[in-house]
Amino acid sequence: DTGVSQNPRHKITKRGQNVTFRCDPISEHNRLYWYRQTLGQGPEFLTYFQNEAQLEKSRLLSDRFSAERPKGSFSTLEIQRTEQGDSAMYLCASSLLGESNQPQHFGDGTRLSIL
Amino acid sequence: AQSVAQPEDQVNVAEGNPLTVKCTYSVSGNPYLFWYVQYPNRGLQFLLKYITGDNLVKGSYGFEAEFNKSQTSFHLKKPSALVSDSALYFCAVRDRGYSTLTFGKGTMLLVSP
Repeated sequence: DTGVSQNPRHKITKRGQNVTFRCDPISEHNRLYWYRQTLGQGPEFLTYFQNEAQLEKSRLLSDRFSAERPKGSFSTLEIQRTEQGDSAMYLCASSLLGESNQPQHFGDGTRLSIL
Repeated sequence: AQSVAQPEDQVNVAEGNPLTVKCTYSVSGNPYLFWYVQYPNRGLQFLLKYITGDNLVKGSYGFEAEFNKSQTSFHLKKPSALVSDSALYFCAVRDRGYSTLTFGKGTMLLVSP
């Protein structure tokens, strides 16, 4: 069990640029979640996948945001035309479907800073 | 809808003393409840969960939590705090009819030597 891996750990970019983050879940986990965490707040749900299917999206996920999990393994989160308000920590988590009480295991996140 | 409240932004306790971090929740059905801990520049680390059964749940690192249905609370406790317990603690809830977690704003625990 190597844990959930997220890359890059930090991303600094200018407003208006596109960014893409990657998440590699724990290998046998079939559910994958994306969250956004801003300073002084708990993680806020963005979207989740079961295998390759995107099952739910939060209203926080504007049309500038897109997430994929093409083969049901790793996932990417892309933000187009970044804005100052996108600055946050983006967290990925994974869990095992089968028992509904399985906890989510989190990666260390990607911190995005918009200049 | 589901929500979580952590009424204290910060809890201060001396090493060796018992600690309590408070959490109350709101769900329409029966809850799954979780506690996570976050160290600086790290992701969240799972501590413990309540699903059903015993109201007192034991978790990692000597932490435990008490589920109280009538008060809709799930307070985190530890009998003897360590300086290394200093971190940000998050309570989370999932209504059994939902697939997603809702987190509280977090409580910073500071344990002084």
